[in-house]
Amino acid sequence: DAGVTQSPTHLIKTRGQQVTLRCSPKSGHDTVSWYQQALGQGPQFIFQYYEEEERQRGNFPDRFSGHQFPNYSSELNVNALLLGDSALYLCASSLLQGTSPLHFGNGTRLTVT
Amino acid sequence: DAKTTQPPSMDCAEGRAANLPCNHSTISGNEYVYWYRQIHSQGPQYIIHGLKNNETNEMASLIITEDRKSSTLILPHATLRDTAVYYCIVRVNYGGATNKLIFGTGTLLAVQP
Repeated sequence: DAGVTQSPTHLIKTRGQQVTLRCSPKSGHDTVSWYQQALGQGPQFIFQYYEEEERQRGNFPDRFSGHQFPNYSSELNVNALLLGDSALYLCASSLLQGTSPLHFGNGTRLTVT
Repeated sequence: DAKTTQPPSMDCAEGRAANLPCNHSTISGNEYVYWYRQIHSQGPQYIIHGLKNNETNEMASLIITEDRKSSTLILPHATLRDTAVYYCIVRVNYGGATNKLIFGTGTLLAVQP
């Protein structure tokens, strides 16, 4: 049973560019969330998707957007990249109902130069 | 801000029990305590969660005080592979749990040979 998979594992972009990160949730999960983890910090919540809609959002600007597809997979898009967007981007999946724990992927390491 | 307080670092001898404390004095009645760990360059790994009763699984035990203001994660026989940052998180559950986990800085557990 595959867990949460993310692609690519590493990415280098230039300031001002746009990036798309991809996530496939754990089998059977219907909810996907994205987190940003700067070096030496704990992960910070970006947003959560369920039934192809954004359900909850953290304190991130509109440059960060997402999408969830009918097969529950998800994309994170970041426009107009800044140097400060360099971080590990983590995807987590779970079931919306109950106390189902979040299962995290190993992330995409984004470097903005 | 995180609703939990943890010591920044702890050491443990290999083969001994590791006891990681967490303070969550402002926890509400509908908030669960979750523990995750993060090994370098990987995504957070779910360990265990509980509401008010002690819990045990194949990885660890979770002891929650009667007033629910603090808890302890116990790794019964620590190995070198348990060296990681351990995060204690309170998570609201309204019947559908939020995916907005608020990570603090965690405890860096170093298991010594």
